[in-house]
Amino acid sequence: KQEVTQIPAALSVPEGENLVLNCSFTDSAIYNLQWFRQDPGKGLTSLLLIQSSQREQTSGRLNASLDKSSGRSTLYIAASQPGDSATYLCAARTDSWGKLQFGAGTQVVVTP
Amino acid sequence: GAVVSQHPSRVICKSGTSVKIECRSLDFQATTMFWYRQFPKQSLMLMATSNEGSKATYEQGVEKDKFLINHASLTLSTLTVTSAHPEDSSFYICSARDYREDSGYTFGSGTRLTVV
Repeated sequence: KQEVTQIPAALSVPEGENLVLNCSFTDSAIYNLQWFRQDPGKGLTSLLLIQSSQREQTSGRLNASLDKSSGRSTLYIAASQPGDSATYLCAARTDSWGKLQFGAGTQVVVTP
Repeated sequence: GAVVSQHPSRVICKSGTSVKIECRSLDFQATTMFWYRQFPKQSLMLMATSNEGSKATYEQGVEKDKFLINHASLTLSTLTVTSAHPEDSSFYICSARDYREDSGYTFGSGTRLTVV
């Protein structure tokens, strides 16, 4: 069974620093990996989707890498801002039906 | 991009009553939708896969008679929590994917259910 782990569980950085969030998965046979942001009491906002054949995806200040062989994905957020404070979740798509296996998330606080 | 609308956002109900949560795909058809549950400070746990025109597929440990799922059209799936109890209080979120786009899954805004 696929297990997804996110480290660290929580992270606090001063504004302007770069953020590095880690996601690891036990089974490399994934369809894709998706990063989400969740604000308190809200739903999930999709940030980046990396297909299994891709190595990375970029959107603005966000960059996500995928290394299937080592079972890892990393989300980089450049020049963090207080508005980046949220919980970040990674999810691996594990089958053709589209089931997602989520990590427990990393709670990020960016202080002004 | 794809939008999934979920209602209500919050609901408080009395123990023993039933609550219906709606999940709609806007501007796209979704033959498959997913229902998740999230406890405080925890990640999302898949409850069931909702399939248009057929029975839902439930994950192990999820009571199908308590969590009724109906996917009657290509744009609407509903989750009904029957005979709700305080332990059913949780955050419920649905998701769907627009297969016309290569953008992964879109999630609704979630429903905070409180059973008193």
